Amino acid sequence: GENVEQHPSTLSVQEGDSAVIKCTYSDSASNYFPWYKQELGKRPQLIIDIRSNVGEKKDQRIAVTLNKTAKHFSLHITETQPEDSAVYFCAAKRLGNQFYFGTGTSLTVIP
Amino acid sequence: GAGVSQSPRYKVAKRGQDVALRCDPISGHVSLFWYQQALGQGPEFLTYFQNEAQLDKSGLPSDRFFAERPEGSVSTLKIQRTQQEDSAVYLCASSSRRALNSYEQYFGPGTRLTVT
Repeated sequence: GENVEQHPSTLSVQEGDSAVIKCTYSDSASNYFPWYKQELGKRPQLIIDIRSNVGEKKDQRIAVTLNKTAKHFSLHITETQPEDSAVYFCAAKRLGNQFYFGTGTSLTVIP
Repeated sequence: GAGVSQSPRYKVAKRGQDVALRCDPISGHVSLFWYQQALGQGPEFLTYFQNEAQLDKSGLPSDRFFAERPEGSVSTLKIQRTQQEDSAVYLCASSSRRALNSYEQYFGPGTRLTVT
């Protein structure tokens, strides 16, 4: 099956700084990589996603990069704000619609 | 419009009891997924439906777990003879393939199951 590893497990940054979270996956057939933000006690919400035929995607302060050869993808948040504080999960979709999630990164943005 | 809803939001069961968790997906969404999320962990895939067909149940941890979606909309996840290790948040997600190659999943708020 697929194995998704996510690092770091916790991350603290000063407000205005950038945050980077990295994930690796094992199944080269995985073709879709979403990132979710989950606030305490709430449902995961999609913040950005990327397909395997694209190397980079950006949406305002959030960007995702994908390196298919190395089988890793990263989430970049620039100009961080306190409301960015949450747990972030990466995921990889295998053929057949199985989604595998990373273990999460708890991001704290210090005002 | 309404998002994915789940009921109950919280469930406490004594060990050995059966439970049934309900998911109402977004209207018209073809695909429906169930996940188990243990405390401090990412969601773990349990099973997947396309309309009423259960296409993948490889993530169900044991034969005590059973899911159905008989009319291709509402889904129920049933756990028989609950064990303490079943305590987790059970998340449901739906997605629509009507949008070209859309894989985006919309999650429900989850059901927090505690087995005592």
